[in-house]
Order: sequence, then structure tokens, then C-alpha cells
Amino acid sequence: GEDVEQSLFLSVREGDSSVINCTYTDSSSTYLYWYKQEPGAGLQLLTYIFSNMDMKQDQRLTVLLNKKDKHLSLRIADTQTGDSAIYFCAERYSGAGSYQLTFGKGTKLSVIP
Amino acid sequence: NAGVTQTPKFQVLKTGQSMTLQCAQDMNHEYMSWYRQDPGMGLRLIHYSVGAGITDQGEVPNGYNVSRSTTEDFPLRLLSAAPSQTSVYFCASSYGTGLYEQYFGPGTRLTVT
Repeated sequence: GEDVEQSLFLSVREGDSSVINCTYTDSSSTYLYWYKQEPGAGLQLLTYIFSNMDMKQDQRLTVLLNKKDKHLSLRIADTQTGDSAIYFCAERYSGAGSYQLTFGKGTKLSVIP
Repeated sequence: NAGVTQTPKFQVLKTGQSMTLQCAQDMNHEYMSWYRQDPGMGLRLIHYSVGAGITDQGEVPNGYNVSRSTTEDFPLRLLSAAPSQTSVYFCASSYGTGLYEQYFGPGTRLTVT
């Protein structure tokens, strides 16, 4: 079955770049996602990337996809205290009739002022 | 638009009690789903629906029922609550089954004693 792995914690200083990493096991994944969860709130989609892409950039966010190693990363440039949250990686399995996302356990990002 | 709304925000049940968690969306989304979030476990899919009258099981469906009589509403029923169902429950919706962007509700925190 599908599995998504992330490190649980990351701590960075304000103004530095943050890189959150994720590995997945399903080579048939069609879409890979990054979600952000602030304390006491639901998840908010940050960005997603198609599996036929290598990179996607959106303002301060850069997503890199290494399909060979099944590795996905999210880089946040100029990290701010408001970026402190839990970040979830998720994949969508491409199997017929599959309408499910598999989420990682989440990486808690702490930004030190 | 109110987006995805969930009621109640908090609930305490005794073992064996039943209850319904409400979820509604006003975006005319086809796809709706229920997840549970447990510490260190990420999100796990309970049930989902690809349209009114159509529901299917996710990863952890036991102990839960759903129905989708309208596009807007997707209630989750706990038939006989157990302490293992203590969790935070999130409802999500998406315009299509491509799941390009899921909108999450604010969550219901359920405690079963």
C-alpha cells in the first residue's frame, strides 16, 4: 500500500530558508500535495505538483520532486514566524477509482525570532 | 461563501452513546470526505462521497456510517462510541474527484470516556 514519510520536527531562524522533506512509496502517484495546519485549525492547501513535473514555484514556496528517489521537498524562502505550523505531505494514488489521499504524519515547523 | 462548516466544535460522549457529526459545504462540491487526526498519526480517511447518493469506505471505516442525500451535507454517524474514537474529525470537500484542492472544515474535537 501507499506510505508517506516525513520527519516530525524542524526548527529554523526567522529569515532563513526552511526545507521540509517527504518520501513516498507509490510510483504510480499522480499528484503530490503540501498542506499547512495552524494550531486549532483545519488543513489548508499550499501547493500541489503533478508527477510529471520536477519543480513548481509559487512566491516563497518551491516544490522539488525527484521521481527516481520518490522524494518531495518544500522550500520556504525567508521564513517568517507566521510560517510556524504543521506541514503535511500527501499523495494521490492513481489506481482506478481511487479518490483518496494518503497523508504523512506531518512536520512541525518552529520559527525562532 | 461559508466554505466547509462543521458542528459541533467540541463533544464529550460516554462509551456506547451514538451521535452525528455534521458537515456542510456551500460550494456545490461533488466530493466530500471525513478524516480523523490522531497525535503522531497524520490524517486517515474514514469515508468519502463522490456525489449525492454515492459513498465509499476509506482506510478506517469501522464504527462509522455516512450518507449523502444532498450535495451540501455529509454527516458522519458514530453508532456506539468507543474510547478509541477519541480524535479530531475533519470534513473536507473538493470541486471534482481530481482532488486538486480540498477545502477543510475547522474540525470537531471528540472525547469518548
